[in-house]
Amino acid sequence: DVKVTQSSRYLVKRTGEKVFLECVQDMDHENMFWYRQDPGLGLRLIYFSYDVKMKEKGDIPEGYSVSREKKERFSLILESASTNQTSMYLCASRPSGLYGYTFGSGTRLTVV
Amino acid sequence: AQSVTQLDSQVPVFEEAPVELRCNYSSSVSVYLFWYVQYPNQGLQLLLKYLSGSTLVKGINGFEAEFNKSQTSFHLRKPSVHISDTAEYFCAVSSNAGNNRKLIWGLGTSLAVNP
Repeated sequence: DVKVTQSSRYLVKRTGEKVFLECVQDMDHENMFWYRQDPGLGLRLIYFSYDVKMKEKGDIPEGYSVSREKKERFSLILESASTNQTSMYLCASRPSGLYGYTFGSGTRLTVV
Repeated sequence: AQSVTQLDSQVPVFEEAPVELRCNYSSSVSVYLFWYVQYPNQGLQLLLKYLSGSTLVKGINGFEAEFNKSQTSFHLRKPSVHISDTAEYFCAVSSNAGNNRKLIWGLGTSLAVNP
């Protein structure tokens, strides 16, 4: 069964910490995405990548960076976590062409 | 620019009743349309998609949606819902022109099925 795996379901970090959220897909997909999901705001795109070492800013990239050194892995980095980054983070991947996304189960991050 | 509007943020319904979740979009080019479902504390799962061809699309779990180009709508329907259909439902659109890597998302509709 193909899947997208996010390394943590729940994470609690302190303000100012550097936080890494990891996402791995086993489907050889070219495109990978990081979203955050907040009540009433839906899904907001943080960053996406359409190839190894390639990245593009989404709608809310401030305070985040990403890394894609290998095709299967896409990491989201919070350089200095803040309480307003408390959220559900969703990773997704998609092959080139007319396909939908495959999502991971999400990481619920709490910054205290 | 494209946008997606889900007209109802919450839809309460009784078990075995029919349900329609409404989605309208705006786009100056042809689009592809998707419905996703998110069960509590999980990621999103593809329910169905419209790419071309028949405007009535059937998906998983007995859901279907109809693409109406003149009304720019893609409403999701199920003739008889179950308690297990309680979830958040998201409509999304992707352009078929140029870079179509990203989806544009609606804000979601929370379906609550009551016994």
